[in-house]
Amino acid sequence: SYVLTQPLSLSVAPGETARLPCGGNNIEGKSVHWYQQKPGQAPVVVITYDDDRPPGIPERFSGSNSDNTATLTISRVEAGDEADYYCQVWDDGSDHYVFGTGTKVTVL
Amino acid sequence: QLHLQESGPGLVKPSETLSLTCTVSGASISSGVHYWDWVRQSPGKGLEWIGNIYYSGNTSYSGTTNYNPSLKSRVTISIDTSKNQFSLKLNSVTAADTALYYCARHDEDRNDPFDYWGQGTLVTVSS
Repeated sequence: SYVLTQPLSLSVAPGETARLPCGGNNIEGKSVHWYQQKPGQAPVVVITYDDDRPPGIPERFSGSNSDNTATLTISRVEAGDEADYYCQVWDDGSDHYVFGTGTKVTVL
Repeated sequence: QLHLQESGPGLVKPSETLSLTCTVSGASISSGVHYWDWVRQSPGKGLEWIGNIYYSGNTSYSGTTNYNPSLKSRVTISIDTSKNQFSLKLNSVTAADTALYYCARHDEDRNDPFDYWGQGTLVTVSS
């Protein structure tokens, strides 16, 4: 089955840039979505189709996807960005949905 | 604005069947073309897709289900358009099935993101 690998945690200072990788075999050939999950809340999609921002998501959030790694970038990190972030794809080979292992972002 | 709300018992005994319902409000579940999904999250763990049901009011394969292979033998997802609900049944549960269960939706393309989520309901498997 298809596997998406994310680092367990990432710490970043306010105002700095956070780059969250999501690794997967030939992931550049898939559409990657990113979800933000704050404690006690349901996930919220922050990036769709590799690099699109849904309405209401700050421009500080951006995405890219190439060379076996998709990346969520959070610029000018704020305290409110502290959350778990998950990447997700639909694996056409198996017709199943796969989530990454998740990265906990801590704002110092 | 679409709203999804999970409901069902918060405690299930081992070997019994977990049954949850997701009530959709703000739109008819039978309008448009959508996939209605269940996702779970074990305590302190990541997200796991359970399965979905495809619904379109005017196609012959409406009602088609798709399940995570790791759960396929124990899962059934169904839809009740008269009540604007869809449901999850997971049989022969064990402590490993203790989790926060979310219902969610995504649009007609399998590549589409999960754009609406319920708030989640915690189910504990314990005697």
